Parts: sequence; structure tokens; C-alpha cells
Amino acid sequence: NAGVTQTPKFQVLKTGQSMTLQCAQDMNHNSMYWYRQDPGMGLRLIYYSASEGTTDKGEVPNGYNVSRLNKREFSLRLESAAPSQTSVYFCASRDNLNQPQHFGDGTRLSIL
Amino acid sequence: GNSVTQMEGPVTLSEEAFLTINCTYTATGYPSLFWYVQYPGEGLQLLLKATKADDKGSNKGFEATYRKETTSFHLEKGSVQVSDSAVYFCALNPQTGANNLFFGTGTRLTVIP
Repeated sequence: NAGVTQTPKFQVLKTGQSMTLQCAQDMNHNSMYWYRQDPGMGLRLIYYSASEGTTDKGEVPNGYNVSRLNKREFSLRLESAAPSQTSVYFCASRDNLNQPQHFGDGTRLSIL
Repeated sequence: GNSVTQMEGPVTLSEEAFLTINCTYTATGYPSLFWYVQYPGEGLQLLLKATKADDKGSNKGFEATYRKETTSFHLEKGSVQVSDSAVYFCALNPQTGANNLFFGTGTRLTVIP
């Protein structure tokens, strides 16, 4: 049971480089989410996609873009990475708004 | 607004000790409440949930009761094991139909033999 799969697991970037984080789910869920996890701050929502073809900003969208490529895949792009974007990024999905979210194992991103 | 305040850690307990991790919330509407657990190097896993006042969520020996009068959802376990060592997050879904989960800052639990 794969669930939510994120790639890569680790990445180091230089300031100004671009990068796309990939996320795929095999549970046929409608909604998908991108969070960042920082020490002492819990998880904060970056962007979400309530259904295929729609995306919306979360709490901390600046510096990021997303694409809901199809029902399975939801990617997060950093166009010009900044050290403040050093974090652990989690993708999540759920079937409908009354169900809990299922999380991937995370991508640890360091920007120098 | 919506927010979750969680007991700060880290918490270190001996095996078989009693565990309480406090969680209080503020919310508009009628929120659902969750506890998630994160083991080292892994993503978050749902531990238990409660969707309305006075509901008790339970799983793997952990329990939490949704208390509307005290706006709390404290996590408890009667006898912890080394395998319970992890980070625990309290989370709130503001109301039915809302897309955003609000998380507490997490509490790291270490259980020593």
C-alpha cells in the first residue's frame, strides 16, 4: 500500500535555483495539500487542491507555485529558492472534507 | 480565529508511566479534532479523532475526549512503551467542509526503558 509518495526525500539547493517537489497518491482522493514543517511552528499549509483542476492558497503561499497535474499528482515548485524556504515539506491527501488527511514521508529541503 | 495550543516538550517518561499531553483550541463553528503521530523519518499518521463534543477517540491504548466546555482535547495513555517515542501533533479542522487543518507545534515524547 503506497499511499502518498513524495520525491525526492532529500535535496540541497543553492539560493536562486528552482526545484519541483513531486507528490502522488494512489487512494483516488479528491483533495491534496502541501505543508511545510518548521521547528516550533507545527505544520503550515502552503497550497491545496480541493479537486482536480483547482488550486488555492493556504497560510504561507509566497514563493511557491503548484500544479494539480491529474487526480493523482500534485507538485510544488520553488521558482527561485531562498534560505527561508529551508524546511521539511509534506504532501497530504484526503477523500472528502470530513475525512482525515493521509501524509507522505516528507521531503527535507536545504537551501544554502 | 482558529488555533491550537499544545503542551511544549520534550517529554521524557519511563516505560509503563502514565502520559498526558495537553491540547487546547480556539475555533469558529464546530471543529473536528485530531491527534497525529510522527515517528522518526516518517510522515504524520492519524492516531485518533473526535468529531463532536463529548466524543472520545481511541487507538493503540491512546485516548482523547473532546471537551467543548474547556475547549480541550488532551491525549492520554495509561502505560507508555518505548515504541511510543515520537512527536505528537494536535490538529483542528475548523468546521465541516473546511479545507484547512490547523496544527499545534508538536510534542516530542521519549520513553526510556
